[in-house]
Amino acid sequence: QKEVEQNSGPLSVPEGAIASLNCTYSDRGSQSFFWYRQYSGKSPELIMSIYSNGDKEDGRFTAQLNKASQYVSLLIRDSQPSDSATYLCAANFGNEKLTFGTGTRLTIIP
Amino acid sequence: GAVVSQHPSRVICKSGTSVKIECRSLDFQATTMFWYRQFPKQSLMLMATSNEGSKATYEQGVEKDKFLINHASLTLSTLTVTSAHPEDSSFYICSAREASGVTDTQYFGPGTRLTVL
Repeated sequence: QKEVEQNSGPLSVPEGAIASLNCTYSDRGSQSFFWYRQYSGKSPELIMSIYSNGDKEDGRFTAQLNKASQYVSLLIRDSQPSDSATYLCAANFGNEKLTFGTGTRLTIIP
Repeated sequence: GAVVSQHPSRVICKSGTSVKIECRSLDFQATTMFWYRQFPKQSLMLMATSNEGSKATYEQGVEKDKFLINHASLTLSTLTVTSAHPEDSSFYICSAREASGVTDTQYFGPGTRLTVL
């Protein structure tokens, strides 16, 4: 069974601090990884995609991928209350479908 | 980024009626679209994979005769919930796959909230 695992949280972070979200996956052959943000009652929104080992930065967001450790993370710098949401980690295990983690609920405390 | 629309955003219907939900990729062609369902405070559940010009592939436990999927063009997939019952009330979300050689990404529509009375 190919799986993606996340800590369900809730994770509480003070406003302005760095929020760190983590995810592990079971298939060493996975090639592509995604972070989606889902606000309550809304559909998921793509935040970051990452395909290569290392860091990928986009504004306040940095995705980190370590294929040897089967680990992908998302860092949110200068956290804002509007970042409060559930963050979904997803992996493509090579069959066009995405396998999602259960999500980490993040709360930014003003 | 790529835009995916869904229509309607919200629908209320009587038990026993059928409801059709449309999913469109607005600025890219999607040979593959996906249909998900999400109950309150639960994870996304993949229902089926919709491929343009061919039959949909349903996940285990999803009734293909109840959830009819048609992917008639590269920008449109429809999900019809037939003979809906209150237990079908849920948040239905589609996604469209944009694959361009280097990248292979799914973009989600805004979702359709179905309430069956």
